[in-house]
Amino acid sequence: GENVEQHPSTLSVQEGDSAVIKCTYSDSASNYFPWYKQELGKGPQLIIDIRSNVGEKKDQRIAVTLNKTAKHFSLHITETQPEDSAVYFCAASKPAGRRALTFGSGTRLQVQP
Amino acid sequence: DAGVIQSPRHEVTEMGQEVTLRCKPISGHDYLFWYRQTMMRGLELLIYFNNNVPIDDSGMPEDRFSAKMPNASFSTLKIQPSEPRDSAVYFCASNLEGLVRDTQYFGPGTRLTVL
Repeated sequence: GENVEQHPSTLSVQEGDSAVIKCTYSDSASNYFPWYKQELGKGPQLIIDIRSNVGEKKDQRIAVTLNKTAKHFSLHITETQPEDSAVYFCAASKPAGRRALTFGSGTRLQVQP
Repeated sequence: DAGVIQSPRHEVTEMGQEVTLRCKPISGHDYLFWYRQTMMRGLELLIYFNNNVPIDDSGMPEDRFSAKMPNASFSTLKIQPSEPRDSAVYFCASNLEGLVRDTQYFGPGTRLTVL
């Protein structure tokens, strides 16, 4: 089955700095890679996603890059703000019909004001 | 839309008791997923349904766990008998095949504590 590894487990940055979280996956058949943000006491919420036919995607301060050959993808947050503090999860899934998400272990991001 | 609804939000029970967790997916969604979150194991998929039919239950830890989806708007996850190691946050999520983003929408979770 799929295995997703995520690093680092914790990340502390100063407000305004950039944050980068990296994930690798094992199954070359995976083609959908979402990133979720989980705040304390809440369920994970999608913040950005990317498909295997795209190398990079950006949404305001958030961007995701994908390297299919190396089987890794990364989340980039620029100009971090205190409200970005949360746990971030990467995930991977296969094409439609096999929709289960395999999650990484999570990264706790702390943005210091 | 109210989003995915889960109940109860918190459950405290004693070892050996039966526990039933409930989920109402977003109206019109045809996939429903049950996940469990613990510090040790992270977020792991237990089972998922498509059009009320269980597709993959390979993540269900053992026979004490069972899940049903009697109709498109309701699912249950039952643990019988419960054990302390079942203590976790259980999430339900739903999505709709064909949505461009394939987004899974998560509920707020049920925090289960088994004493």
